Amino acid sequence: GQQVMQIPQYQHVQEGEDFTTYCNSSTTLSNIQWYKQRPGGHPVFLIQLVKSGEVKKQKRLTFQFGEAKKNSSLHITATQTTDVGTYFCAVHGSSNTGKLIFGQGTTLQVKP
Amino acid sequence: DAGITQSPRYKITETGRQVTLMCHQTWSHSYMFWYRQDLGHGLRLIYYSAAADITDKGEVPDGYVVSRSKTENFPLTLESATRSQTSVYFCASSLGAPYNEQFFGPGTRLTVL
Repeated sequence: GQQVMQIPQYQHVQEGEDFTTYCNSSTTLSNIQWYKQRPGGHPVFLIQLVKSGEVKKQKRLTFQFGEAKKNSSLHITATQTTDVGTYFCAVHGSSNTGKLIFGQGTTLQVKP
Repeated sequence: DAGITQSPRYKITETGRQVTLMCHQTWSHSYMFWYRQDLGHGLRLIYYSAAADITDKGEVPDGYVVSRSKTENFPLTLESATRSQTSVYFCASSLGAPYNEQFFGPGTRLTVL
């Protein structure tokens, strides 16, 4: 079945440093979604990428979809303590069912 | 506008007991999902539903039962709870189109002793 690998599993950064998490698939993806989960909270949708090579920005967050639509990245510029949490990528299964398959997530810790 | 709610938020039960986790959404979303979240495993899909009276298995359905008689409700039942079912359970919903974003409930933390 569809799988997506997400790295790294954990990242500790000093406030102000940049952060990047990566998702990789062995198969071509129709789209990819990104979610953020704050400690003790629930996942919250951030963005969806659909087009090959697509780049979208949300303030300090930059999302990219690879040209081959097999990988994606989330980059945070100048991290803040409010960025703490776990970031998940999610892809739809091979059938048109609405099912999402989540990466294992990257947990970001930011030292003030 | 309550959105999507789950109850109870915390539950402690014993091995062998039946437990039902409730999920209710006020948006009339067609799709609803149940996930469990465990350290080291991320979010894993248990069951999902594309509409009322239509349900299907996800990645880890064993030991769980779902029903969806009404669009707004999607209860998850553990027929005979086991310790391995100790987890945080999230319900989610999305609009009719399958590629829409999913909205998650606040979660239920279940402990099976």
